[in-house]
Amino acid sequence: GAGVSQSPSNKVTEKGKDVELRCDPISGHTALYWYRQRLGQGLEFLIYFQGNSAPDKSGLPSDRFSAERTGESVSTLTIQRTQQEDSAVYLCASSLIWANTEAFFGQGTRLTVV
Amino acid sequence: RKEVEQDPGPFNVPEGATVAFNCTYSNSASQSFFWYRQDCRKEPKLLMSVYSSGNEDGRFTVQLNRASQYISLLIRDSKLSDSATYLCVVAYNDMRFGAGTRLTVKP
Repeated sequence: GAGVSQSPSNKVTEKGKDVELRCDPISGHTALYWYRQRLGQGLEFLIYFQGNSAPDKSGLPSDRFSAERTGESVSTLTIQRTQQEDSAVYLCASSLIWANTEAFFGQGTRLTVV
Repeated sequence: RKEVEQDPGPFNVPEGATVAFNCTYSNSASQSFFWYRQDCRKEPKLLMSVYSSGNEDGRFTVQLNRASQYISLLIRDSKLSDSATYLCVVAYNDMRFGAGTRLTVKP
């Protein structure tokens, strides 16, 4: 079966523009996670969904960041008014139940803000 | 204090060496623990889950000490192909990753 799919794989955008990143989790996976990884850095937790609900949004770096999930499936991460410090790889992962089962990652979206 | 802290590394070892990675976590309510491996410019992938009594898989051994909130990964007889970044992961409601420790195994 298909793994976690993210699109686009690469995105170059101008400072100040809005971007939308998409994640298609493995079918049937209830939990979905978003992380940000800057070059040479670790994974920074952004948000997770249990079903369509995000219990804790405190990991989002600023109010320019938002995320939603629909149909317990696809999720979108939106960054408004992008800044250069938003440049990073954005990784999505899904797991079958919740955090105590293996998480499978997509290949990420590499975002470059110029 | 970070929720998950790891040895900063990098670790540069010769083939055949034994290397140990340590990790501490701050949330005493954490329920599940893992080690992931991330190759350069690739996504992380599960290496091993960590069980309460500790567990072993071939050359890899993991330990958990809940009282000290400490997790370890031991790699014996290291191979060139073990070169990667090793990520400690702690889960409660969500999954929190350590910053990772880079390992380079040299001939």
